Amino acid sequence: EPEVTQTPSHQVTQMGQEVILRCVPISNHLYFYWYRQILGQKVEFLVSFYNNEISEKSEIFDDQFSVERPDGSNFTLKIRSTKLEDSAMYFCASSGSGSMNTEAFFGQGTRLTVV
Amino acid sequence: AQTVTQSQPEMSVQEAETVTLSCTYDTSESDYYLFWYKQPPSRQMILVIRQEAYKQQNATENRFSVNFQKAAKSFSLKISDSQLGDAAMYFCAYRTSQGGSEKLVFGKGTKLTVNP
Repeated sequence: EPEVTQTPSHQVTQMGQEVILRCVPISNHLYFYWYRQILGQKVEFLVSFYNNEISEKSEIFDDQFSVERPDGSNFTLKIRSTKLEDSAMYFCASSGSGSMNTEAFFGQGTRLTVV
Repeated sequence: AQTVTQSQPEMSVQEAETVTLSCTYDTSESDYYLFWYKQPPSRQMILVIRQEAYKQQNATENRFSVNFQKAAKSFSLKISDSQLGDAAMYFCAYRTSQGGSEKLVFGKGTKLTVNP
């Protein structure tokens, strides 16, 4: 069964450093997303990406964040100059198109710890 | 903006019994999608069931079913014959069906404990 794959599963970084979280969406999906879940809290939308550009972003997704689809398979989230409060679980998700675009499939998440 | 409310931070159920998790939402739209996601201790988000708002029939997936009350904006999840593996956080989520926004809006979740 196709699945969304995220790497690494756990990333520890020092405050102020840059991190790149990687995702391989399901191959025939056209919509890609990043969500964040701070420990013990709800899952929050960060950004959606379609047709090689951001289609929607939340107020959380400020200039510190960027997304990229560098090739036909990967979808990355870059966090510049990480802060302690960026520590969270980051989920990548993808969904299909048209009538198939009714549900998002999530990866297993990357746990980011900023120290 | 749409909001999703899960009023039960925690619930518990005996193995083999039935439990219902509550979810309400607020929207001005007439067509949308609703979902229940399960998050076990591994923290992966797993889709349990989905409901299209234009469908009157309640969705069912094996032991999982929903009670969708559109007028009341209520979307509860019923788990029948609960199993130990059902223990997890359960998140209710909303998604518009209108083009231009594909994001999910989540509730705060309900932690379900299954007692043997």
